[in-house]
Amino acid sequence: AQSVTQLDSHVSVSEGTPVLLRCNYSSSYSPSLFWYVQHPNKGLQLLLKYTSAATLVKGINGFEAEFKKSETSFHLTKPSAHMSDAAEYFCVVTLYSSASKIIFGSGTRLSIRP
Amino acid sequence: GAGVSQSPSNKVTEKGKDVELRCDPISGHTALYWYRQSLGQGLEFLIYFQGNSAPDKSGLPSDRFSAERTGGSVSTLTIQRTQQEDSAVYLCASSPTGGHYGYTFGSGTRLTVV
Repeated sequence: AQSVTQLDSHVSVSEGTPVLLRCNYSSSYSPSLFWYVQHPNKGLQLLLKYTSAATLVKGINGFEAEFKKSETSFHLTKPSAHMSDAAEYFCVVTLYSSASKIIFGSGTRLSIRP
Repeated sequence: GAGVSQSPSNKVTEKGKDVELRCDPISGHTALYWYRQSLGQGLEFLIYFQGNSAPDKSGLPSDRFSAERTGGSVSTLTIQRTQQEDSAVYLCASSPTGGHYGYTFGSGTRLTVV
């Protein structure tokens, strides 16, 4: 079965320190992987995507993610957190199957301490 | 249009009434998804349309839920005899193909059943 696991439901960091949001997936196929961000009372916005090109993917707002097939991981990082990064982050997988369904992780709430 | 448009943005309805939620995807996007996001929970897949293929309805929680997509464009999600547990934000997303290049989400319809 295919699945996505976000290992932390809540991450809190100080402004200016690095951010690491963890995501592991399980898939029998080559996946496409995405990170989405949802600010309070806002819609979902695409941060970045991996679609079998470069394994290190750069996204908007200084975020990056690295696809590691051996670890089945797609962790999201940012070198220096900003107050505006406080939001809910979702790791998402699309799988090549008969019904191309989006599979969402359960989300990680990122809090930024001043 | 430039983005995925959902209407209404907010809907308050009495328990037992029927409601219709509308999604207008990006022009030319063949894939359309409906998701539900309940308070404090992740995103729950409801239904997926791809071109003229039969929709994947495997996520619909009960037979009170139905959806259609007319002319491969606008989609309507209908909930009959609404219950309080139907209260959630209903999100629509569209994609050019099966979603392997990312999805664009609408801002959602917040449904409150009183």
